Amino acid sequence: DAGVIQSPRHEVTEMGQEVTLRCKPISGHNSLFWYRQTMMRGLELLIYFNNNVPIDDSGMPEDRFSAKMPNASFSTLKIQPSEPRDSAVYFCASSSRSENTEAFFGQGTRLTVV
Amino acid sequence: AQSVTQLDSQVPVFEEAPVELRCNYSSSVSVYLFWYVQYPNQGLQLLLKYLSGSTLVKGINGFEAEFNKSQTSFHLRKPSVHISDTAEYFCAVSSKAAGNKLTFGGGTRVLVKP
Repeated sequence: DAGVIQSPRHEVTEMGQEVTLRCKPISGHNSLFWYRQTMMRGLELLIYFNNNVPIDDSGMPEDRFSAKMPNASFSTLKIQPSEPRDSAVYFCASSSRSENTEAFFGQGTRLTVV
Repeated sequence: AQSVTQLDSQVPVFEEAPVELRCNYSSSVSVYLFWYVQYPNQGLQLLLKYLSGSTLVKGINGFEAEFNKSQTSFHLRKPSVHISDTAEYFCAVSSKAAGNKLTFGGGTRVLVKP
C-alpha cells in the first residue's frame, strides 16, 4: 500500500477563497483523522471518522471548516472562506479501529493563506 | 477525557550521549500509548507503541519506552543518539473508550549536537 495520500502537498491561496484538502486513507482502515499543526498550537485534532461517520468534530475551529467522508477511500477538509490564520500544515491519518493499531500519517498539506 | 503532557519542549544533547524524553498522560480508562517522530517537512512516523503486556517497549532506531501505570508515564529513551535523531518527538494516547481518538502532547524538539 502507498500509505495515506494527501493532496495537494502545498497550497497558497488568497484570503476569502475556498480551499479543499484531500485525503486517501490506507485501504482497509476504518478510522480517519484530520489534524492541524502550527507552531503556536502544536498538533490539534480537528475531526475524526469511524466507518465514514463523523464521531467527534469538536476540534473544528469554526463553521468555515467542514469535512466529509463520502466513502471509505476518500475524505475532504474544506475551508470557506479561508483566512490568514488558517495557515498551517494539515495532516490526515488513518488507522484500523478493530485492531487498535497506531495511526498512519500522510505527508501533510502546507496551506498558506495570504 | 484524555490528555498528554510532554514536560520538555526542547532537549539539546550531544552526539553519542543518552537522551530521555518525558511523557505523562491522564485518562480514566485503560490506554494505548505511542511515540511518534517528525523529521523536518515530513509527516509523523511511529517509533513505538504500548498496547498491553510487557511495560518495556522497544521501537525503531534504538529507542525504547517504559509504561509506568502508577506514575502515568511513558518516557522515551535512547542510550546513544546520532545527529540523524534531530527531530521533533510526540507522545500520544488513545483508548477504546475514546473510539481510538489519538491525543498528542505538545512535542519535544531534540537537537543533537556534534
